Amino acid sequence: EAQVTQNPRYLITVTGKKLTVTCSQNMNHEYMSWYRQDPGLGLRQIYYSMNVEVTDKGDVPEGYKVSRKEKRNFPLILESPSPNQTSLYFCASGSPITDTQYFGPGTRLTVL
Amino acid sequence: QQPVQSPQAVILREGEDAVINCSSSKALYSVHWYRQKHGEAPVFLMILLKGGEQKGHEKISASFNEKKQQSSLYLTASQLSYSGTYFCGTEIDLNAGNMLTFGGGTRLMVKP
Repeated sequence: EAQVTQNPRYLITVTGKKLTVTCSQNMNHEYMSWYRQDPGLGLRQIYYSMNVEVTDKGDVPEGYKVSRKEKRNFPLILESPSPNQTSLYFCASGSPITDTQYFGPGTRLTVL
Repeated sequence: QQPVQSPQAVILREGEDAVINCSSSKALYSVHWYRQKHGEAPVFLMILLKGGEQKGHEKISASFNEKKQQSSLYLTASQLSYSGTYFCGTEIDLNAGNMLTFGGGTRLMVKP
């Protein structure tokens, strides 16, 4: 089954404790992206990647890092999370952006 | 800059029609439309590329007016399953990379 998976689905952490949210797709898509969704602000793109070792900033990249060492994986790293990064995070993949984008189920992150 | 969606919310009776608009202050290369149901990930509906095309998907269609820098999503003879929040995502220029900027969303409720 074609899918985008994210882990964990829910996470509560404390300020400053490094964390990684994993994203994996099994569709051999070149394009992957991370979004955060906040009430009243809609979906905002954090980072995207056009292919392995190719990443670029989206609208709100501050405080986040990504890596694309393999085509299927695109982890989101928060080196020192802060409460303003409490949000619902979605990973998406597509091939290329002019084709359908598939979203993962989302990761709800709370930073205390 | 985030595209502006209107209306912010709309309530329909089953069988009624609705139009959701998406306007950008910048020239657009493409417009994407998604629907998100409560607690779920966004689901891709369609993409429209520069060229003023109109696309259809069952009873949901969309148009893209390049000159006016806007797109409209048309929902015809609405069904209960159409309820959800609709987002447009805009890509301003192919040469600007593949950064996708989403509007704030339009909440649609279809009542029996």
